[in-house]
Amino acid sequence: AQSVTQLDSQVPVFEEAPVELRCNYSSSVSVYLFWYVQYPNQGLQLLLKYLSGSTLVKGINGFEAEFNKSQTSFHLRKPSVHISDTAEYFCAVSKTGANNLFFGTGTRLTVIP
Amino acid sequence: KAGVTQTPRYLIKTRGQQVTLSCSPISGHRSVSWYQQTPGQGLQFLFEYFSETQRNKGNFPGRFSGRQFSNSRSEMNVSTLELGDSALYLCASRPGQGVEPQHFGDGTRLSIL
Repeated sequence: AQSVTQLDSQVPVFEEAPVELRCNYSSSVSVYLFWYVQYPNQGLQLLLKYLSGSTLVKGINGFEAEFNKSQTSFHLRKPSVHISDTAEYFCAVSKTGANNLFFGTGTRLTVIP
Repeated sequence: KAGVTQTPRYLIKTRGQQVTLSCSPISGHRSVSWYQQTPGQGLQFLFEYFSETQRNKGNFPGRFSGRQFSNSRSEMNVSTLELGDSALYLCASRPGQGVEPQHFGDGTRLSIL
């Protein structure tokens, strides 16, 4: 079975500062990894995905993440955050070839002006 | 291209009633998955339909059921509603083959009184 741990439930950060949201996963098989963002009263929007290949993946809105197989991590980073980045961020994993996603508990990013 | 559309956006029911939620996937997508999001349990996979057949199922009681029509639209039904069924129900679609990630709708917020 797969599981995802998001180590920080809340992350406050000042505007224009860098941020890292941490995600660790557990799986006995190959997986795909995803980061989704959820704004209030909305569904989930895909930020980026790792399927295979380069371990550094770039997504929308200036976010990037690095897949580290040895540490089973997939941390999300942004060099300079904006007020509009305030939202809930979810890390998710799926077994390769499967369609159901296992989600972490989410990290609430609050950008402080 | 239109995104995933879920109706209704909000719903209020009382215990013991039943409810049907609807999801129209992105045009051309044949796989539809449903997720439940609650503050206590987070995001949990309910089931996935592909070409009118349930392809995968999460760990929910039989009160939760779904179906998919020939045009790929999907409905989810919950019978004998309980207070704990109050949640945001999210639908996601994907082409169904390959590695294309899931695209989510804005959800139906179900409140049980």
